Amino acid sequence: EAGVAQSPRYKIIEKRQSVAFWCNPISGHATLYWYQQILGQGPKLLIQFQNNGVVDDSQLPKDRFSAERLKGVDSTLKIQPAKLEDSAVYLCASSLVSDLKYFGPGTRLLVL
Amino acid sequence: GENVEQHPSTLSVQEGDSAVIKCTYSDSASNYFPWYKQELGKRPQLIIDIRSNVGEKKDQRIAVTLNKTAKHFSLHITETQPEDSAVYFCAGTTSGTYKYIFGTGTRLKVLA
Repeated sequence: EAGVAQSPRYKIIEKRQSVAFWCNPISGHATLYWYQQILGQGPKLLIQFQNNGVVDDSQLPKDRFSAERLKGVDSTLKIQPAKLEDSAVYLCASSLVSDLKYFGPGTRLLVL
Repeated sequence: GENVEQHPSTLSVQEGDSAVIKCTYSDSASNYFPWYKQELGKRPQLIIDIRSNVGEKKDQRIAVTLNKTAKHFSLHITETQPEDSAVYFCAGTTSGTYKYIFGTGTRLKVLA
């Protein structure tokens, strides 16, 4: 089966610019996660979707981050404006029911 | 909310020796605990998991133990090999939310 797809794989922007990431989960997977992984740290949950509804976004910095999952399939994560501390790998993952097994390759963001 | 602590942050072992990584969790409602291996520049890979109704689970050279009373669980790798070198993350979640909280990671180095 096809895995979780993410794009772009790499992005370099200057602070205060905006950026968007895209995720296509495995077909049929109802749950979609966005994680932020700063170098040397564990993944931090930003937002969790169940179909197109938000289950948890308690750690999403809502003043600058936004995410949507249209039609319960693809998802986009946006940062506007970006800060230096947003430099990280953004991982998308999807799940059929409960097991968190399928991660995308990640988008590596560098904010200068 | 749930908090997962992981120790040690780095671990070096001789090839053939055993490695043990420990995690503690705060939410007594947590009932599912996966472990991930992440090689440099790659996505996390689920290697083993345990549910709260089981005290121990083994898969070839890796095993996980769970102590619900003490709220801690451990990853055991026996007969370590150089290819086991990676960063290992524990995580915890509850079956109600499937909100996965990750530990801070352990960098394992297996010395040949």
